[in-house]
Amino acid sequence: QAGLTQPPSVSGGLRQTATLTCTGDSDNVGHQGAVWLQQHQGHPPKVLSYRDNSRPSGISGRLSASRSGKTASLTITGLQPEDEADYFCSAWDNGLNAWVFGGGTKLTVL
Amino acid sequence: EVHLVESGGGLVQPGGSLRLSCAASGFTFTNHWMHWVRQAPGKGLVWVSRVDNYGSGTSYADSVKGRFTISRDNAKNMLFLEMNSLRDEDTAVYYCTAIDGPWGQGTLVTVSS
Repeated sequence: QAGLTQPPSVSGGLRQTATLTCTGDSDNVGHQGAVWLQQHQGHPPKVLSYRDNSRPSGISGRLSASRSGKTASLTITGLQPEDEADYFCSAWDNGLNAWVFGGGTKLTVL
Repeated sequence: EVHLVESGGGLVQPGGSLRLSCAASGFTFTNHWMHWVRQAPGKGLVWVSRVDNYGSGTSYADSVKGRFTISRDNAKNMLFLEMNSLRDEDTAVYYCTAIDGPWGQGTLVTVSS
């Protein structure tokens, strides 16, 4: 099954801003939006934003999700060392009748 | 507090079988489609299977279709994955999850002779 497209790596300076992207098609991201997940090494994924771009309780306001057409974005402002992690996007694909994931983006805080 | 706790992973030979279980608590289990997602060592997340709220609808990734069976017991807040004809490439941490909701800690399945 085809997946979503994410850049393998993104970096940003301490207290700067990083934007991660996730590109799909009209059957997945373009249809119902994407879920964003954060995963630190050795830990399970954690949901950062839902398909409607809202955040679960307890997720920092420094994170904001958006969507334009078939591309979802996650913007992290005021980068902190603890933001260094792998970030995955995921969406339900109506055509495949399956969830699809992006390959993940490794965020490095310089 | 929300919890998903997987069990049943382990070492199995190619061609063997395993049954994974997931115990849910702290949220309304029947409000969610439930999924199994796996992650091979050092790799990304891969969706494996899903079951709808009441177990009447399921779907599978092509790579596991015909070999894996997902099910749920809403009376016991449990999710299951029956895995047969296991292959080396099925080696991964398997997560029980609602994807846009709770995630478990994962259980490691190793397929090796």
